[in-house]
Amino acid sequence: SQQGEEDPQALSIQEGENATMNCSYKTSINNLQWYRQNSGRGLVHLILIRSNEREKHSGRLRVTLDTSKKSSSLLITASRAADTASYFCATDGTANTNAGKSTFGDGTTLTVKP
Amino acid sequence: DGGITQSPKYLFRKEGQNVTLSCEQNLNHDAMYWYRQDPGQGLRLIYYSQIVNDFQKGDIAEGYSVSREKKESFPLTVTSAQKNPTAFYLCASSMGWGLNTEAFFGQGTRLTVV
Repeated sequence: SQQGEEDPQALSIQEGENATMNCSYKTSINNLQWYRQNSGRGLVHLILIRSNEREKHSGRLRVTLDTSKKSSSLLITASRAADTASYFCATDGTANTNAGKSTFGDGTTLTVKP
Repeated sequence: DGGITQSPKYLFRKEGQNVTLSCEQNLNHDAMYWYRQDPGQGLRLIYYSQIVNDFQKGDIAEGYSVSREKKESFPLTVTSAQKNPTAFYLCASSMGWGLNTEAFFGQGTRLTVV
């Protein structure tokens, strides 16, 4: 069964705007990760946030985690056309502590128009 | 260059044939994984291996087989028993199980049944 579910399914914005994607999950987690996938390519790891962390930053990326609501958000600030990609959240349940065995959602497809 | 390499990039299979997808990593990772991705969807786990000479079924193992004779290699065979094999296949590796670390992905193999 799917653990992480991203929202919205698709997002289209203008260059320079901020993009926010959300992820909800069902069961307790050890950590949550965000990945990016360019069309027809493999996934690239963006950021990992542990269950005892609330917020994490990496460059133009900001991830928040609310374990009480079982949700996470990924904010990309000052978006660029090169940010156009699909973004996935992946969760490691408390019964599973291995990153690659994470459960992935269906992703949010982000389009940034120049 | 350290990384994870999948080959071939594109593969065509006739009905009833077995085909093998290659995955090699030089990251000295213990754990390796195979995922299947269908259009517009997330990743589903086929098989994973936490250590050499050991592997476990994932969520959709039927019609697939793997081997892990060497640490750096984790080939996936799509057998004739897999009724709907057309998909994008992704291989990944991570440092080890029991650690909350990121997964590194190959660039994928797109398999088409003709």
